[in-house]
Amino acid sequence: EAGVAQSPRYKIIEKRQSVAFWCNPISGHATLYWYQQILGQGPKLLIQFQNNGVVDDSQLPKDRFSAERLKGVDSTLKIQPAKLEDSAVYLCASSLGVSRVEQYFGPGTRLTVT
Amino acid sequence: AQTVTQSQPEMSVQEAETVTLSCTYDTSENNYYLFWYKQPPSRQMILVIRQEAYKQQNATENRFSVNFQKAAKSFSLKISDSQLGDTAMYFCAFMKLASSGTYKYIFGTGTRLKVLA
Repeated sequence: EAGVAQSPRYKIIEKRQSVAFWCNPISGHATLYWYQQILGQGPKLLIQFQNNGVVDDSQLPKDRFSAERLKGVDSTLKIQPAKLEDSAVYLCASSLGVSRVEQYFGPGTRLTVT
Repeated sequence: AQTVTQSQPEMSVQEAETVTLSCTYDTSENNYYLFWYKQPPSRQMILVIRQEAYKQQNATENRFSVNFQKAAKSFSLKISDSQLGDTAMYFCAFMKLASSGTYKYIFGTGTRLKVLA
């Protein structure tokens, strides 16, 4: 079974530039999560999709962050414009849902904003 | 609001020894799940063990076991016969069924474990 795929693995941009991250969840997983993990901290949920609908985006900085999940499969997370404090690892995870509640994580994208 | 606290930022253990990582949480929910996730230096987070709150029996997965104390809201992870490959960040996570009908996860700040040869 293929795992959660993310790209790119690393990205360096200057502040005020834009960046996009891509995630392909495990096939059949209805729920997709984007997390922000700042160095030395635990993952913080940014947005959660159930199929192609948003169920929780309460911690997403909507003035600069946006996300979509096309056709309930792949997802993209965009930051525009980036700030220095956005430097972090962005993790994508998916879960089957129902009785299978475990999350499966991708390798993450390490973003450095200079 | 739910919170998850890991009070040990860093720990070390000698290879083949046993180590226990602590986690406490705060919730008013009665039905929930608890997890331990491992994040090696390569950053891929993987599930170590899960515990359903309604189960009294502590979960065990090979060398990993938990001590789940529901009344005390404590969920510690014991690693027996520690191996060098156990070196990683360990995150405790709480999960409940949200009003939206989906699952909401909250992670602790992590414990960095180093296994010494």
